[in-house]
Amino acid sequence: DAGITQSPRHKVTETGTPVTLRCHQTENHRYMYWYRQDPGHGLRLIHYSYGVKDTDKGEVSDGYSVSRSKTEDFLLTLESATSSQTSVYFCAISESLGTSSSYEQYFGPGTRLTVT
Amino acid sequence: AQSVTQLDSQVPVFEEAPVELRCNYSSSVSVYLFWYVQYPNQGLQLLLKYLSGSTLVKGINGFEAEFNKSQTSFHLRKPSVHISDTAEYFCAVTGGGADGLTFGKGTHLIIQP
Repeated sequence: DAGITQSPRHKVTETGTPVTLRCHQTENHRYMYWYRQDPGHGLRLIHYSYGVKDTDKGEVSDGYSVSRSKTEDFLLTLESATSSQTSVYFCAISESLGTSSSYEQYFGPGTRLTVT
Repeated sequence: AQSVTQLDSQVPVFEEAPVELRCNYSSSVSVYLFWYVQYPNQGLQLLLKYLSGSTLVKGINGFEAEFNKSQTSFHLRKPSVHISDTAEYFCAVTGGGADGLTFGKGTHLIIQP
C-alpha cells in the first residue's frame, strides 16, 4: 500500500453526535479525496482537496465537512451523524496533474462507520 | 461530467475459464480510464489504466482491458481465472481535472470451482 492510513478503522456512534475521520499520507501527494462506499452505489466522492486549505465539494457532500491544515492530513467531519451516513469511508491520494501517474488514485484501508 | 455503467452486478464463472467484465462510460471530454479491484474487507487496488496510446492495456494478475472510443467501452478481460480472483471490480473514469474519479457500481466476480 501507498503510505496512507485512516483512523479509526472502525467506529460505532449514536445519531446526532459529531464524528471526525482522519486520513494521513506520507507520500507528499497534493490531491486528497474522501469517498463513501455503499452496496449498489460503488464509490461516491464526498469532498476533495487540491492543496493545503483548498477543498471542494463532491457528489454527496451534504452533512459532511473537511479540513486540510497540513499536506499529510485530510479530516472528514460529520457534524451530526445520521443513520444514512452508516457506510465505509475511503481516503485516496493522487500526485499532481501532468505527471506520469496523473489521475491514478491510491486508496487507504477504509473506515467502517456505523451510526445507531 | 462523466458517468460509468458496469452492466453486470455479478458475474459467476468457473475456475480456469475466461471472463469479461463490461464497462461503458459517457463523457463530453477526453477521458482517462481505470479498473480497480477490491478484495473482501480491503481498500481498492489499481489493476490497470488507460491514459493514451495503445488501446490494449495490460495490468497486474494477468488482466487486460481494451479502450474502444467509438463504443465508449473499456471492458476488462482475463483468459483464465483463479479462485483468488474472487473480488469486486470497479471501473472508473476522469476527465482529467482535480475532482476525482467517477466510479461504476461494481461487478462482483464469483469464481466457481
